[in-house]
Amino acid sequence: KNEVEQSPQNLTAQEGEFITINCSYSVGISALHWLQQHPGGGIVSLFMLSSGKKKHGRLIATINIQEKHSSLHITASHPRDSAVYICAAHGSNYKLTFGKGTLLTVNP
Amino acid sequence: GAVVSQHPSRVICKSGTSVKIECRSLDFQATTMFWYRQFPKKSLMLMATSNEGSKATYEQGVEKDKFLINHASLTLSTLTVTSAHPEDSSFYICSARDQAETQYFGPGTRLLVL
Repeated sequence: KNEVEQSPQNLTAQEGEFITINCSYSVGISALHWLQQHPGGGIVSLFMLSSGKKKHGRLIATINIQEKHSSLHITASHPRDSAVYICAAHGSNYKLTFGKGTLLTVNP
Repeated sequence: GAVVSQHPSRVICKSGTSVKIECRSLDFQATTMFWYRQFPKKSLMLMATSNEGSKATYEQGVEKDKFLINHASLTLSTLTVTSAHPEDSSFYICSARDQAETQYFGPGTRLLVL
């Protein structure tokens, strides 16, 4: 069993919809990353959070340390949001354990 | 925000040759850089942790003589794939950690070994 589980694996939405991607982890962490990977491969770090909630534009990330669960929300989704979203647990040794990613497709 | 670059972005080489990939932190100093490998539709897999001025720490199953890592300065780490074979074809990504312990990822290097 992977130490970091994401759901769903694939998600298709219509433009404008509110999107939620979930991440559960079983390891102890110091922080959790949400990453975005577009076709072609480049990775962008969206958030790093260790508690509570962070917001950047239309993106919101939350984490519940007690429940070992984090969510990434996208409001008013747009086709340019189509990408793979990856959560990665940041352990005390600074190594990242990655989820398998969620492929998001937003149709116009 | 902090930027990490990789060069080249893609490389095609013949089997048996060596390929060097550079990872640079452009506007911050990174005492630690990480090298990852990603197969199609798979998670990133940590290959090694590169520490400036010391030997890299390799993950289990990663051949250190095959994947040579040099972290000669606070802004540059290099990964050399020696005697490359087709099975080494993959997407290689580096990340650099700043003093606030935030990791920034490079754009990746796609290697194709013929």
